[in-house]
Amino acid sequence: GAGVSQTPSNKVTEKGKYVELRCDPISGHTALYWYRQSLGQGPEFLIYFQGTGAADDSGLPNDRFFAVRPEGSVSTLKIQRTERGDSAVYLCASSPGLGGEQFFGPGTRLTVL
Amino acid sequence: AQTVTQSQPEMSVQEAETVTLSCTYDTSESDYYLFWYKQPPSRQMILVIRQEAYKQQNATENRFSVNFQKAAKSFSLKISDSQLGDAAMYFCAYGGAGNNRKLIWGLGTSLAVNP
Repeated sequence: GAGVSQTPSNKVTEKGKYVELRCDPISGHTALYWYRQSLGQGPEFLIYFQGTGAADDSGLPNDRFFAVRPEGSVSTLKIQRTERGDSAVYLCASSPGLGGEQFFGPGTRLTVL
Repeated sequence: AQTVTQSQPEMSVQEAETVTLSCTYDTSESDYYLFWYKQPPSRQMILVIRQEAYKQQNATENRFSVNFQKAAKSFSLKISDSQLGDAAMYFCAYGGAGNNRKLIWGLGTSLAVNP
């Protein structure tokens, strides 16, 4: 596709469940970012990948959050034992690397009941 | 640590008029980037304009321009000839100049455009 895609668009889950959120970056983009946007807030950085490796995971709030990018393209954000406070829009962005513009996907709205 | 502050939670403007959205930031770095993003209800973040800190000239993109005051750490967005389609949340964001370009965001300003 031409842009960054994220699936699912919306996810409703129950407290304590495990969820996976997927990001398909623009083809050829080496850098990938995950952000979390809570209601009424600006996005907050979670993790940055350069290629397959997590170059900066300082924004992950705790060890329930984990992200992978095994082949340097698609990335999956994994949240274990979800809590109601995890409810937010999770945004993914990709860039060509070396400081190129970040292109954002439409986000996944996660609701934890 | 870098911070970004947007002190106007909501703004409104009449169609065809001009509006200015404010943003201040704090950093100890000398080289960095500043951005304004637009987020409509569809949630898609759209880049409006970017400014490299080492450039003294203010960036301009059609009806959008910035007033970048590096010493004052101020980065305001001016929208001229406002259109109904400009109604959205506007976020100011700061990005470092290294390979890791993670963005630090303000809380946003909700812009309403009145016909």
